[in-house]
Amino acid sequence: DQQVKQNSPSLSVQEGRISILNCDYTNSMFDYFLWYKKYPAEGPTFLISISSIKDKNEDGRFTVFLNKSAKHLSLHIVPSQPGDSAVYFCAAKWDFGNEKLTFGTGTRLTIIP
Amino acid sequence: NAGVTQTPKFRVLKTGQSMTLLCAQDMNHEYMYWYRQDPGMGLRLIHYSVGEGTTAKGEVPDGYNVSRLKKQNFLLGLESAAPSQTSVYFCASSQTHSTGTDTQYFGPGTRLTVL
Repeated sequence: DQQVKQNSPSLSVQEGRISILNCDYTNSMFDYFLWYKKYPAEGPTFLISISSIKDKNEDGRFTVFLNKSAKHLSLHIVPSQPGDSAVYFCAAKWDFGNEKLTFGTGTRLTIIP
Repeated sequence: NAGVTQTPKFRVLKTGQSMTLLCAQDMNHEYMYWYRQDPGMGLRLIHYSVGEGTTAKGEVPDGYNVSRLKKQNFLLGLESAAPSQTSVYFCASSQTHSTGTDTQYFGPGTRLTVL
């Protein structure tokens, strides 16, 4: 049973436009969410996170939005750049001394120059 | 500061062979993890450790064993490899859960093929 879902395996966006990556979760115990970025032949690297007490967190060109009632979060990248082409994983955990992350299946983002 | 390193980077095994994957971190992190990544499946947790001398099962532990004899090292063993264990294996580490916001740092991965 996939508790964290990324229903779009791939996404193509024109350079300079906004990229929106979506993630849904089913486990209401999750209260902390993260996005990781992965380039080919490398390990994932942390991008941005959000606690369930917030509905938005911003870091430069990256913003994560959380809608707890819908169990949905999204990552916005504005403006999109060629270096943003990568696979993006959504991950979730519950924060009671539990460091285990549950990952989604990933979305491959391609930025078209 | 190398972060998280994994050895080897690639390996091909025959069914029934054994091998050990080594993960090392130089960040003095308490927690270490082993994941596998398969197409369409994301990353799935195999085993993890919350400190030297401790190990615990993750989501998909069958067919694997682990050891954490030293704080900086986390070993993943396959006693009798099967084709279903063909995957890319990632090691990760993180600090303690005191704040609950510590992220995990990943190694570059080991691509394992079992024939």
